[in-house]
Amino acid sequence: KAGVTQTPRYLIKTRGQQVTLSCSPISGHRSVSWYQQTPGQGLQFLFEYFSETQRNKGNFPGRFSGRQFSNSRSEMNVSTLELGDSALYLCASSFGLAAYNEQFFGPGTRLTVL
Amino acid sequence: ILNVEQSPQSLHVQEGDSTNFTCSFPSSNFYALHWYRWETAKSPEALFVMTLNGDEKKKGRISATLNTKEGYSYLYIKGSQPEDSATYLCARGGTSYGKLTFGQGTILTVHP
Repeated sequence: KAGVTQTPRYLIKTRGQQVTLSCSPISGHRSVSWYQQTPGQGLQFLFEYFSETQRNKGNFPGRFSGRQFSNSRSEMNVSTLELGDSALYLCASSFGLAAYNEQFFGPGTRLTVL
Repeated sequence: ILNVEQSPQSLHVQEGDSTNFTCSFPSSNFYALHWYRWETAKSPEALFVMTLNGDEKKKGRISATLNTKEGYSYLYIKGSQPEDSATYLCARGGTSYGKLTFGQGTILTVHP
């Protein structure tokens, strides 16, 4: 069974640009969650999508958005990039809602904002 | 406890030692407690998901217990091996379903 895949793996952008990250969950998984990892911070929850609906959102500005497609693939978009957005972005999929089911993480996208 | 807190922040042990970490979390509106292992250059890997007070789970040399009334969970590693070196994360699922709140992690280093 293929694992969670994320593309791209590495990305370099400049301030003010926007970026779209992609996540393909494990086949059959309907939940995709996104997390941000920065130095000194734990994994910060961004949002979770389940059956194409955003179920929950973390404490991030509106510049962070996402969506989920009918095949459960998810994209995350960050507009008007800031230096502080430099981070490792992880997505995780689970069969059911993330709070109750073990999550399977992708390898992450390392975003650097210059 | 307002957030998920883990202790200690880091731990150095010798091969063969047994060790344990603590995860403390708000006990109200509790749904589930997760443990993950995150090795360098890899993705976090699920160890356990526990939901009931008194739950005990075991996988090989690693085990975990859960006390939802007082809001803590212990992770035990028996006979640590160098390959156990990793960051161990706990996460709490609350009433905002789908939202997991992670602790800062415990960094374990096992010296041969």
